[in-house]
Amino acid sequence: QSVLTQPPSVSGAPGQRVTISCTGSNSNIGTVYDVHWYQHLPGTAPKLLIYGNNRPSGVPDRFSGSKSGTSASLAITGLQAEDEADYYCQSYDISLSGYVFGTGTKVTVL
Amino acid sequence: QITLKESGPTLVQPTQTLTLTCTFSGFSLSTSGAGVGWIRQPPGKAVEWLAVIYWNDNKRYSPSLRSRLTITKDTSKNQVVLTMTNMDPVDTATYYCAHRRGATDTGGNFGSWGQGTLVTVSS
Repeated sequence: QSVLTQPPSVSGAPGQRVTISCTGSNSNIGTVYDVHWYQHLPGTAPKLLIYGNNRPSGVPDRFSGSKSGTSASLAITGLQAEDEADYYCQSYDISLSGYVFGTGTKVTVL
Repeated sequence: QITLKESGPTLVQPTQTLTLTCTFSGFSLSTSGAGVGWIRQPPGKAVEWLAVIYWNDNKRYSPSLRSRLTITKDTSKNQVVLTMTNMDPVDTATYYCAHRRGATDTGGNFGSWGQGTLVTVSS
């Protein structure tokens, strides 16, 4: 019962730009709380990819995040084969007084 | 370097109580802003946040599971324990603990995760 909605899948050829949307509401993304993004490869622990508008050390600048109103987006430019993974958005919901994750998006590199 | 590791049973019978322990290093739960959360992922499904405990002992739970969850911490041992009562086969999932990064006891993100532990609920 994810509160944040993402497209189930996106795909692109190597070198292309893809974007993943994350749609929420005025009680989560539409508040002062940041949206964060995680990359999840099968059999591994999810990895923090973007926090707010920032990247943790070691994350390529091909990844960027943005937020507008009650929606957020993750952009991947110069798509590479190693980017094939599941991606989740996450925020904080003031009505639920807790954390919410997105429904997840599988990125396929054609 | 922050590391976390989950431990607990891999198989639980329906109606039993699950107890999972997260043992961490690289940070202290007595430091202002620190927190540890639990997140799970059923096979083939999305991740789902379960609970979090903060440095000030405040706790937050997923509303849909609140009645079944209890989270506690032992700061001296660098451990956080999650208990979930009345387990059901739909609770079969990989359970992760993660370091919550933030300034207050709201908001923030999960900067480091454990490897996860698969818990199967079956008789």
